[in-house]
Amino acid sequence: GQNIDQPTEMTATEGAIVQINCTYQTSGFNGLFWYQQHAGEAPTFLSYNVLDGLEEKGRFSSFLSRSKGYSYLLLKELQMKDSASYLCAVKTGGGNKLTFGTGTQLKVEL
Amino acid sequence: DAMVIQNPRYQVTQFGKPVTLSCSQTLNHNVMYWYQQKSSQAPKLLFHYYDKDFNNEADTPDNFQSRRPNTSFCFLDIRSPGLGDAAMYLCATSRKFGAYSNQPQHFGDGTRLSIL
Repeated sequence: GQNIDQPTEMTATEGAIVQINCTYQTSGFNGLFWYQQHAGEAPTFLSYNVLDGLEEKGRFSSFLSRSKGYSYLLLKELQMKDSASYLCAVKTGGGNKLTFGTGTQLKVEL
Repeated sequence: DAMVIQNPRYQVTQFGKPVTLSCSQTLNHNVMYWYQQKSSQAPKLLFHYYDKDFNNEADTPDNFQSRRPNTSFCFLDIRSPGLGDAAMYLCATSRKFGAYSNQPQHFGDGTRLSIL
């Protein structure tokens, strides 16, 4: 079976740094995606990791450790508009299917 | 410009009355997906089309069907909606690619379905 765990909610302060963790236990692994989803809107792609290590993209970075079944999304210089749900999704098998976690609802406060 | 378009954004139907949700894409992607997302839950894959090949998930109820008449359009048909089918339905597309490709799925804004 597939199991992906994320914290349900997090709160952080504008301008700060926040780390959102994701652990997974899946049959097969072909990469891990992070998506951002604002309420009532489509998920939008943030990052992809398939090899161990850190991928940096502006204020957002994503880390992967395949041996530990662990990833995190790091958001720097938080802005109010970063308040959203962050979804971790694992690609398994040879095709294009993703298994999503339930998402972490991030609230950025002043 | 919107690349994956879902219509309508909000759909209300009656218990047991068939309903169809639509999705179109301008990306010319080979693969189209339908997800169901309930409040505070993960998007759950219902099925996907790989070109014209239909791939159903094992736990998708028979009540849910899909059609893909051409590359650009894909429909989700719910034959007899129950109260438990109230959810956000997300359409997504992607290119046909190998196992380790970093190409993401592109999502539409979803259709929120309510059942009366």
